[in-house]
Amino acid sequence: EAGVAQSPRYKIIEKRQSVAFWCNPISGHATLYWYQQILGQGPKLLIQFQNNGVVDDSQLPKDRFSAERLKGVDSTLKIQPAKLEDSAVYLCASSSLRVARSLYEQYFGPGTRLTVT
Amino acid sequence: DAKTTQPPSMDCAEGRAANLPCNHSTISGNEYVYWYRQIHSQGPQYIIHGLKNNETNEMASLIITEDRKSSTLILPHATLRDTAVYYCIVRRLYGQNFVFGPGTRLSVLP
Repeated sequence: EAGVAQSPRYKIIEKRQSVAFWCNPISGHATLYWYQQILGQGPKLLIQFQNNGVVDDSQLPKDRFSAERLKGVDSTLKIQPAKLEDSAVYLCASSSLRVARSLYEQYFGPGTRLTVT
Repeated sequence: DAKTTQPPSMDCAEGRAANLPCNHSTISGNEYVYWYRQIHSQGPQYIIHGLKNNETNEMASLIITEDRKSSTLILPHATLRDTAVYYCIVRRLYGQNFVFGPGTRLSVLP
């Protein structure tokens, strides 16, 4: 079974520029998450999708961050404009509602490391 | 905020058991204890979870105290590849999101 795919793996931009990250979850996984992980900290949830609907975006800085999952499969996370404090690893995760043993386990992608200079 | 407290770092000799403690004194009756680990530059990896009974799988064992206020993750024969940050998370099975604390950085030493 293919894992969660993310691209790009690394991105360096200047502050005030825009950037977008892409995530392809495990096939059949209805739930998709975006996390932000700043160096030395655990991942922080930014947004959760159930199919193509937003379940929780309470910690998403909506003045500059946006995310979409138009067809309930792939998702993109955008930052516009970027700030220095946005430097972090952005992780995408997905989970299935149909696998008993792993119910609500989250499978993580490799992440995108963003550096804002 | 995370509902768990863990030591910031631990060392373990290769081949020995690694015992990682976690305190979750405010855990609710319907909250599970989950463990994830994150190896450098990779996404978090699921290890194990449990409610009140001890659990074992191919990766680890989870021992939960009778009052459920603390738990221990046991890696029975630690290898160098087990060097990682280990996160203990409490969460309801349905609908609640994962809140990661800073975790425990385990270093397995040769």
